Amino acid sequence: GAGVSQSPSNKVTEKGKDVELRCDPISGHTALYWYRQSLGQGLEFLIYFQGNSAPDKSGLPSDRFSAERTGGSVSTLTIQRTQQEDSAVYLCASSHPGTNSPLHFGNGTRLTVT
Amino acid sequence: RKEVEQDPGPFNVPEGATVAFNCTYSNSASQSFFWYRQDCRKEPKLLMSVYSSGNEDGRFTAQLNRASQYISLLIRDSKLSDSATYLCVVRGNFGNEKLTFGTGTRLTIIP
Repeated sequence: GAGVSQSPSNKVTEKGKDVELRCDPISGHTALYWYRQSLGQGLEFLIYFQGNSAPDKSGLPSDRFSAERTGGSVSTLTIQRTQQEDSAVYLCASSHPGTNSPLHFGNGTRLTVT
Repeated sequence: RKEVEQDPGPFNVPEGATVAFNCTYSNSASQSFFWYRQDCRKEPKLLMSVYSSGNEDGRFTAQLNRASQYISLLIRDSKLSDSATYLCVVRGNFGNEKLTFGTGTRLTIIP
């Protein structure tokens, strides 16, 4: 079946511009996560959506970052006034409800801020 | 204390050897545990879940020690293709089921 889909796969933007990254999770997966990963570094948690509960935004690095999840499905991560340090791979992952359900990752969006 | 801790390595191991690494977690009520593998410039992929009684998948064995709050991954007869970063993942307790990743252990198998 279809996996987690992210778009665009690559995005180059100028410093100061806003960007939107999209994630389409696996159908039926109620949990959705955003992470980012800089080259050679570990995964940095950004935000977690679980069903209709309030999202866990504790990982968002600044108020320039926001995310929405509409209708419990597609999610959009928005970065306003991008900075060069925002350059990274942004990974989305989703999970089926259930204690033993693992995360399934998308291929990521590689963001480069010039 | 970090929620999930791993030795970052690197572990440089000759081909055919056995290698093991641990991951500790801070929340004693954590529900479930996983090992993921991440290749360079790729997304993490599930390697195996970790069950209370321990479980094996080919050359890979995962174990959980709830009393000491750690999980382990053992790789036997290591192959060059096992070179990757191994990520420990822990799901929180009921009511706070967020999955938390360790920073990963870098493994390189040497010919």
